[in-house]
Amino acid sequence: DAKTTQPPSMDCAEGRAANLPCNHSTISGNEYVYWYRQIHSQGPQYIIHGLKNNETNEMASLIITEDRKSSTLILPHATLRDTAVYYCIVRVGPGWGSTLGRLYFGRGTQLTVWP
Amino acid sequence: GAVVSQHPSRVICKSGTSVKIECRSLDFQATTMFWYRQFPKQSLMLMATSNEGSKATYEQGVEKDKFLINHASLTLSTLTVTSAHPEDSSFYICSAKARVRVGTGELFFGEGSRLTVL
Repeated sequence: DAKTTQPPSMDCAEGRAANLPCNHSTISGNEYVYWYRQIHSQGPQYIIHGLKNNETNEMASLIITEDRKSSTLILPHATLRDTAVYYCIVRVGPGWGSTLGRLYFGRGTQLTVWP
Repeated sequence: GAVVSQHPSRVICKSGTSVKIECRSLDFQATTMFWYRQFPKQSLMLMATSNEGSKATYEQGVEKDKFLINHASLTLSTLTVTSAHPEDSSFYICSAKARVRVGTGELFFGEGSRLTVL
């Protein structure tokens, strides 16, 4: 079962920041927050992940609250190509000796970027 | 970067026939591959986990005799939908867990295979 709650849809103007929230109030201490997105009729694409510190990469920033019960994915300058369904997933972290990788997707947030 | 390729990307078949979908990790070895199914306007649903050289582990409610999974090598897993019916029409997606970290990630998705059963 998905352990996250996301708004079903959000809109954002092109060039503006898109802030996508996610609630994961039952997250365990060894679970990370992962974000993926899925453009229509394609496979999911990894965006970013974090444990408790804020993270940033070339695609996005991830802000995790101090109690780790919620997080926000930030796309700093949204483009039309960012229109997709964004999934927030909690899972045990990237360990090589474990049997990780099973992801349980919730409904995600449909982000629509308009010109 | 790491690439996972699925073939075919689209397939149309008659009811009652079996369809095989391949999932290949092109530039890395995958110890584990995962199969998902996605119906229109719905989220991805994990079907099964396959480890190289061993039997697949199916999620609750997924018929293992209906969806045959073979993971014969570290770069190839196949999903066979046996005696397909129109209700099996769906978007099937695989993901592969790299044996060794590739770049900044270890889990990579294929582009999906759309099955339409007439």
